[in-house]
Amino acid sequence: QVQLQESGPGMVKPSQTLSLTCTVSGGSISSTDYYWSWIRQTPGKGLEWIGYIYHSGRAFYNPSLKSRGSISVDTSKNQFSLNLTSVTAADTAVYYCARDPRDGYNTDWGQGTLVTVSS
Amino acid sequence: DIQMTQSPSSLSASVGDRVTITCRASQDISSWLAWYQQKLGKAPKLLIYAASHLQSGVPSRFSGSGSGTDFTLTISSLQPEDFATYYCQQTNSFPFNFGPGTKVDI
Repeated sequence: QVQLQESGPGMVKPSQTLSLTCTVSGGSISSTDYYWSWIRQTPGKGLEWIGYIYHSGRAFYNPSLKSRGSISVDTSKNQFSLNLTSVTAADTAVYYCARDPRDGYNTDWGQGTLVTVSS
Repeated sequence: DIQMTQSPSSLSASVGDRVTITCRASQDISSWLAWYQQKLGKAPKLLIYAASHLQSGVPSRFSGSGSGTDFTLTISSLQPEDFATYYCQQTNSFPFNFGPGTKVDI
């Protein structure tokens, strides 16, 4: 059974870049059957779909990020990553990585990681 | 963007009750709708996809219906483990927005 695990700093300073990695085990990130997603959750805005990436590297993003977000994939490590630049307090959230069977919904999720933006 | 709304925002129910949650999309999304359950401190869990398809391993007391703009999640007989928050998500077009959630408690 596939498992996903987020990792990265729990705190980031305002204006800096938030970087998270999702390690996939029990399944190959190179599978043609899935997209690999990032989703975040805040008390104020609820669940927000950030974007997803295919193993080829093709990615799609939520326009609300205003081009601050980028998702990359490392098939050799079975990982995918999220970078979010110029963060503000509004980016404080629990960040989840998840697996999408190419239909937009997510069948498998990581446990989530809290990232706090604060000086 | 397609906006999602849910009603009610919260409800109180008892074990054994039939519970219905409604989700509405701001435009036609055909059957491109998913439902999730989230318990405190945990990741969301997929219950229903394509509006009415039960995800593998999910109890049959959960069901989904609807198409176009109006959708329903029904729990036929509420169990103690069903007290949670439920979210809908449209998967018709980018960005795949979620509804604000419906909290089901005692």
